[in-house]
Formats: sequence, C-alpha cells, structure tokens
Amino acid sequence: EDKVVQSPLSLVVHEGDTVTLNCSYEVTNFRSLLWYKQEKKAPTFLFMLTSSGIEKKSGRLSSILDKKELFSILNITATQTGDSAVYLCAVGGMGTSYDKVIFGPGTSLSVIP
Amino acid sequence: DAGVTQSPTHLIKTRGQQVTLRCSPKSGHDTVSWYQQALGQGPQFIFQYYEEEERQRGNFPDRFSGHQFPNYSSELNVNALLLGDSALYLCASSLQGGLTFGSGTRLTVV
Repeated sequence: EDKVVQSPLSLVVHEGDTVTLNCSYEVTNFRSLLWYKQEKKAPTFLFMLTSSGIEKKSGRLSSILDKKELFSILNITATQTGDSAVYLCAVGGMGTSYDKVIFGPGTSLSVIP
Repeated sequence: DAGVTQSPTHLIKTRGQQVTLRCSPKSGHDTVSWYQQALGQGPQFIFQYYEEEERQRGNFPDRFSGHQFPNYSSELNVNALLLGDSALYLCASSLQGGLTFGSGTRLTVV
C-alpha cells in the first residue's frame, strides 16, 4: 500500500530559527514529490521534485529529493511567524491526468516571536 | 482567472442523511480529485474524475460517489452519513498533474 510518512508531526520554534521537515515514502509508480503549505483550508503549492539531488529554492524555502533513499526534506531558514502552517508532503504523478496524489499526515509548524 | 471554487463552505447534517458537495475546477483544468481531511490529518484521496468517468478511487466505501459534468465541474455525494464523515472535503483540479485546491467544504455530522 502506498505510504507517505512525515516527521516531526509538530514543531515549535522561535523566529529566526532554521527548521528541517522530513518526508519519506513507499509508493508504486513514483513520478514526483510535492510539498504544500496549508494555513487554513486550501493547501498551496510550494515545490515539485522529480530528480534526485537537485535543490529547489524559493526565497527562504528549499527542498531536495533522494530517490535512492525515498526521502525528501524541506528547509526553512530565518523563520517568520507567517511560516506557521501545516506543511504537507505528497507523492504522485505529474505526467497524466490519471495519476492520484497521496499525502502524508503533515507537519504542524508554529513560529513564535 | 478563477481558481477552484467549492460550495457550500460549511454544512451541518444529521447522521443518516445524504449530502452533495460541489466543485468548479480552475479554468482549463479537466481533472477533478476529491479529498477528505479529518482534523489533524493529511488529505485522504477519495476519487478522481476525468472525462466524466471515475478514473481512480481510494479506500472509501460505496457511500461515497461522485459525478463529473461536461463542463468539468464535479459533485461529491455521501449517503447514510456517519459521525466519522465529519471533515474538511477538498476538491482539487489539474491538467496533467499540478493540483490546485479549493478552500474546501467543512462538513459536520451531528
């Protein structure tokens, strides 16, 4: 059965700290790994990773994939209170309209001033 | 450019009743997926519709059914509601991958 595991499940840090969120997966027919940020309702897209070892960056956020170890990390540097959210890791397809996306349980990040 | 829109935003139903949730996909998207997100959990895949047919289905009972219309909009129907069906129901549309989510429908079963 396809499975996506995230750790830690919750995290409290102070503004300015750097955090690393972890995601491991066991899925058939892997095509891509996705990171989403969910603040209230609708998850918003952060990154899509398909190749090992290539870091994706967007401002203070970055992510990398290891397809051999079936693992990805999401780094957030110089955290701000606006980074408080649930971060969802998902694995699925990006190649056809038939592919489903499987989500992990999420990491709840709280950034305190 | 309108994103994914869902209605209603909130709903309260009694155990045993039936409910219909609606979703309009992002313009240009042809695939609609439905997810159930219980409090404190990640979204769980219910099913996916493409070309008006159910293409993929997760581990949900037959009480959960859906439909996609020619304009790509979609409905999620849940029969014989249980207390455990209380959750945020998310619709996501896509075109060859790349999910765009709506804000969801919060269903409370009492």
